[in-house]
Amino acid sequence: AQSVTQLGSHVSVSEGALVLLRCNYSSSVPPYLFWYVQYPNQGLQLLLKYTSAATLVKGINGFEAEFKKSETSFHLTKPSAHMSDAAEYFCAVSESGYNQGGKLIFGQGTELSVKP
Amino acid sequence: EPEVTQTPSHQVTQMGQEVILRCVPISNHLYFYWYRQILGQKVEFLVSFYNNEISEKSEIFDDQFSVERPDGSNFTLKIRSTKLEDSAMYFCASTWDTQYFGPGTRLTVL
Repeated sequence: AQSVTQLGSHVSVSEGALVLLRCNYSSSVPPYLFWYVQYPNQGLQLLLKYTSAATLVKGINGFEAEFKKSETSFHLTKPSAHMSDAAEYFCAVSESGYNQGGKLIFGQGTELSVKP
Repeated sequence: EPEVTQTPSHQVTQMGQEVILRCVPISNHLYFYWYRQILGQKVEFLVSFYNNEISEKSEIFDDQFSVERPDGSNFTLKIRSTKLEDSAMYFCASTWDTQYFGPGTRLTVL
């Protein structure tokens, strides 16, 4: 069965500092991996996705994530945090592609706070 | 940019009442989904829908739940007899090559 573990329910960084949000997954087949962001009182917005092409994936708002099969990880990073990055971040896994209707299995989420 | 829309944004109901949550997926998408997020918990898959039938459902999606695509645009989630534990944010999503989520409906069962 698929599962996702996000290490750290709450991460706090200073503005301009590196953002690192950790995600480890479990999947019996090569996974599709995603990061979504949720701003207060809003829905989920896709940041980036890994679909077995390049292992380093670039997303919106300066975020990127690296797929490491040996570590079963898909950590999210951003070199320099901005106040507007404060939100909840969810890592998700799917065992089938979108054109096969693959459901998403989400991690618990990590709330990112950015201090001035 | 096309988006998934959901109505209402907030629904308050009494325990035992039926509720219908509505979604308008993006027009050329083929797969539709419902997820829920209980306050403080992770987003959980409920059901996926393709070609006018359920393609997959979770253990949460019991006989109290049903989905329907009554016309070419709407996608609905019905809860027949709401329980207190059904209180959650319900998200609709649709996909072509990327799964797009709606803003959610907050359901409060009193």
